[in-house]
Amino acid sequence: GESVGLHLPTLSVQEGDNSIINCAYSNSASDYFIWYKQESGKGPQFIIDIRSNMDKRQGQRVTVLLNKTVKHLSLQIAATQPGDSAVYFCAEVRETSGSRLTFGEGTQLTVNP
Amino acid sequence: DVKVTQSSRYLVKRTGEKVFLECVQDMDHENMFWYRQDPGLGLRLIYFSYDVKMKEKGDIPEGYSVSREKKERFSLILESASTNQTSMYLCASSFGGQGLYGYTFGSGTRLTVV
Repeated sequence: GESVGLHLPTLSVQEGDNSIINCAYSNSASDYFIWYKQESGKGPQFIIDIRSNMDKRQGQRVTVLLNKTVKHLSLQIAATQPGDSAVYFCAEVRETSGSRLTFGEGTQLTVNP
Repeated sequence: DVKVTQSSRYLVKRTGEKVFLECVQDMDHENMFWYRQDPGLGLRLIYFSYDVKMKEKGDIPEGYSVSREKKERFSLILESASTNQTSMYLCASSFGGQGLYGYTFGSGTRLTVV
């Protein structure tokens, strides 16, 4: 069936290093992808999104890469800071199915000082 | 600042009680969603609504119902709470227009059923 999943449940990095969080999706008809960040005790927050007709999008310290050939999505965080420690979720949507998002299970990012 | 507000951060209820979880958004969003979040299971959709008085079942609707009498308010109801409904409950809303799919989430309600 359709799924959106993350390769690793946990990722530990040193402060200042770059982080890469990966996500695989199975539905080639997905039109739109979003990355969310969830800090402990809070609801998920939107980070960055990308449409399926793009392969890269950059934000402030974050870059999302989309490889449709292998159905893979990644979130790159530059110069990772302690405040980046959180669970990161990818989500996908197919416009023909309305605006309902399908979420992956999440990766726990821990930034070590 | 736009917001999705969930009425309680922490809630403890007894088995068999009827429980109401309230969610209010101030963004005039069309769509509203209720998820539960459990370790190792991610976010699972319980119910959603694309309009006032409209509701649709998500992936795990059993044991739950919802009410959307006003556009800004979406209530989740546990008809008879059970211990397996102990979880973090997240409400979200979205505009619903073409290309506007991003959800805004509330802070969550951690419900414990004893």
